[in-house]
Amino acid sequence: GDSVTQMEGPVTLSEEAFLTINCTYTATGYPSLFWYVQYPGEGLQLLLKATKADDKGSNKGFEATYRKETTSFHLEKGSVQVSDSAVYFCALRSGSRLTFGEGTQLTVNP
Amino acid sequence: NAGVTQTPKFQVLKTGQSMTLQCAQDMNHEYMSWYRQDPGMGLRLIHYSVGAGITDQGEVPNGYNVSRSTTEDFPLRLLSAAPSQTSVYFCASRHDQKGLQRTEAFFGQGTRLTVV
Repeated sequence: GDSVTQMEGPVTLSEEAFLTINCTYTATGYPSLFWYVQYPGEGLQLLLKATKADDKGSNKGFEATYRKETTSFHLEKGSVQVSDSAVYFCALRSGSRLTFGEGTQLTVNP
Repeated sequence: NAGVTQTPKFQVLKTGQSMTLQCAQDMNHEYMSWYRQDPGMGLRLIHYSVGAGITDQGEVPNGYNVSRSTTEDFPLRLLSAAPSQTSVYFCASRHDQKGLQRTEAFFGQGTRLTVV
């Protein structure tokens, strides 16, 4: 079945540091890939998405590229802010179901 | 638009009690689903529905029932709560029509349930 594996957290960075959160997947067919963000006490919000190989999703300074050859969708941001502190989920959709990774807790210190 | 609305936000139950978690969406989405979120396990799909009158099991359906009598509402029922059902529950919805396969899912704010 489909599965998503994220790098283990938690991740703690200083403000303006570079962020990478790794995500790899296993799926049949050609899934769509997503990054969702969950701020404290809230539900999940879509951060960015990519629907086919080599697509790059981007939003709020975050970006991720759909790499079919390495089955990866790593999340990056060049300069994180304190307000980026949240839990980040990588997810894929193949057919109707959405499959999530375990989530990575990011804390950014001033 | 209200989006996806879940009630209640918090609930404490005793083992063996029953309750219903409510979920409503006002976006005319065909697809609705329930997830539970547990530490280190991400979100796991409990049940889902692709339209009124149609429901199916997800990854962890045991102990939960659902129904979909209208497009807007998708309640989740715990018939006899167990401590293992202590979790945060999220409802989500999205379009699910051919030609709109890549649409995003919208999530409610969650229900934090504790079973003692």
